[in-house]
Amino acid sequence: EAGVAQSPRYKIIEKRQSVAFWCNPISGHATLYWYQQILGQGPKLLIQFQNNGVVDDSQLPKDRFSAERLKGVDSTLKIQPAKLEDSAVYLCASSFTDGGETQYFGPGTRLLVL
Amino acid sequence: SQQGEEDPQALSIQEGENATMNCSYKTSINNLQWYRQNSGRGLVHLILIRSNEREKHSGRLRVTLDTSKKSSSLLITASRAADTASYFCATPGNSGYALNFGKGTSLLVTP
Repeated sequence: EAGVAQSPRYKIIEKRQSVAFWCNPISGHATLYWYQQILGQGPKLLIQFQNNGVVDDSQLPKDRFSAERLKGVDSTLKIQPAKLEDSAVYLCASSFTDGGETQYFGPGTRLLVL
Repeated sequence: SQQGEEDPQALSIQEGENATMNCSYKTSINNLQWYRQNSGRGLVHLILIRSNEREKHSGRLRVTLDTSKKSSSLLITASRAADTASYFCATPGNSGYALNFGKGTSLLVTP
């Protein structure tokens, strides 16, 4: 079974530029999550999708971050414009249902904003 | 918001020794999970314990849960160098199913 795929793996941009991350969850997983992990901390949820609908985006900085999952499969997370404090690893995870429990994480995208 | 807090923040042991790390949380939960993150790699689910369970085993891992004290522990027996990683406890978030992670325990196992 293929795992959660993410791209790119690394990205370096300058502040005020825009960047987009892509995630392909495990086949059949209805729920998709985006987490932000700052160095030395645990992951923090940014947004949760159930199929193509948003379940929780309370911690998403909506003035600069946006995410979509148009067909209920792949998802894209965008930052525009980026700030220095956005430097982090962006992790995508998926789970079979919204029944909680085990989440499967991708390798992450490491973003450095200069 | 972070729910679980792991203790200690860092732990260094030798191969063959046991490693114990603890997690405390603030609000009532229906389950608690432990994840491992190797350097530069993604998070991997280790074990889930439900609120009606007190202890659970998986290979060399043993997890306990004390809901009265709002705490959990992860014991790794006969540790190996490959166990070197950060270990996070995670509890259900506000939506019920997204996870709240602590800051993690960084475990170093030396040969």
